Amino acid sequence: GQQVQQSPASLVLQEGENAELQCNFSSTATQLQWFYQSPGGSLVSLLSNPSGTKHTGRLTSTTVTKERRSSLHISSSQTTDSGTYLCAIVDMGYKLTFGTGTSLLVDP
Amino acid sequence: NSKVIQTPRYLVKGQGQKAKMRCIPEKGHPVVFWYQQNKNNEFKFLINFQNQEVLQQIDMTEKRFSAECPSNSPCSLEIQSSEAGDSALYLCASSLGTAGNTLYFGEGSRLIVV
Repeated sequence: GQQVQQSPASLVLQEGENAELQCNFSSTATQLQWFYQSPGGSLVSLLSNPSGTKHTGRLTSTTVTKERRSSLHISSSQTTDSGTYLCAIVDMGYKLTFGTGTSLLVDP
Repeated sequence: NSKVIQTPRYLVKGQGQKAKMRCIPEKGHPVVFWYQQNKNNEFKFLINFQNQEVLQQIDMTEKRFSAECPSNSPCSLEIQSSEAGDSALYLCASSLGTAGNTLYFGEGSRLIVV
């Protein structure tokens, strides 16, 4: 089945620094979503980006479908960005397969 | 703010007890998913529906879990006889369609089985 690997597993930044998160997946993806999960557990969809580059606010995602990889760039990080970032893939079926997550901590 | 509403936020059950969680999908979304996130933050797909029909489900769901999405009522996920290993965050998501559509998640129902 589909496997989704994320790197790094954890990341510590100083406020204002940029973050680059990576997602690699093993099979063709019809949809790719980046999520943010707060320490309380709520899962928020950040970007849907099955191919190409998309921007929203301080977030930029680039997905190279042929190479089965996606990145999420967070510019000018803030302490409120701390949490877990998850990449999830929909393959030729219906279900979403989640990656292992990147835990981000932004220090003031 | 999430437009997918899940209740209850927390529930505590003894082993062998039933545990029932509900989900109201975002208005107009015919596709509903249930996921289990365990203490290691691993996500497991359980079941999904399109309108009232089951699209896919895993073996575990067939045996001890029951789920439904009746028309004009909340969707529900019920564990017939809770086990300690069922302690997890149960997440419901809804979508406009299946492949290629964005999923929107609720805040989850955290089950603790004591």
